[in-house]
Amino acid sequence: QSALTQPHSVSGSPGQSVTISCSGTSSDVGGSDYVSWYQQLPGKAPKLLIYYVNNRPSGVPDRFSGSKSGNTASLTISGLQTEDEADYYCCSYAGRNTFYIFGTGTKVTVL
Amino acid sequence: QVHLVESGGGVVQPGGSLRLSCAGSGFTFSDYGIHWVRQAPGKGLQWVSFIRHDGSKKQYGDAVKGRFIISRDNSKSTLYLQMNSLRREDTAVYYCAVIGDFDYWGQGTLVTVSS
Repeated sequence: QSALTQPHSVSGSPGQSVTISCSGTSSDVGGSDYVSWYQQLPGKAPKLLIYYVNNRPSGVPDRFSGSKSGNTASLTISGLQTEDEADYYCCSYAGRNTFYIFGTGTKVTVL
Repeated sequence: QVHLVESGGGVVQPGGSLRLSCAGSGFTFSDYGIHWVRQAPGKGLQWVSFIRHDGSKKQYGDAVKGRFIISRDNSKSTLYLQMNSLRREDTAVYYCAVIGDFDYWGQGTLVTVSS
């Protein structure tokens, strides 16, 4: 049950766009309709940003968007803001045995 | 307002046991499957276990299989995690969470396995 692979860190200036990748296999990301993304601020519980690959819960700004191609999912933050500085995790359903698996996490820094 | 509140964390010696609880409110607890997810200090999220809404199906991650037991009491709107044969690597903040389009997490409870 290895974690999904994310870049350790990404950075951008305010107003720029950044994209975080989440690489898995055909048993998880590639074979699942359920891929989600979470934002985690220091000392806080994760907050859902995206579910079912590209759906946003109410209250999540449309600056956050999700997509998937093959075994890789992506989260794009457009119009980066200082409050977006946080850790981000992907999560995928991975079948009846492994069930759910999280990504390694990516730290987003706003320069 | 939906709330999930974990309790029961603390310091335990290697090989010891601990039982975590997660009390739900503000939603129909018995309608939802619930997960345990943990996060070791300075590390990423790790899925631990899941129980179906009616308790009929339980799933465990490889790291805890055979040592942890998940259960629930819908009459008390409470989820449990019985943790046995604890190891130092089980040290983490443990979250209970409803995962999906209806997605809520508790604030977490810290378990420290240390002699």
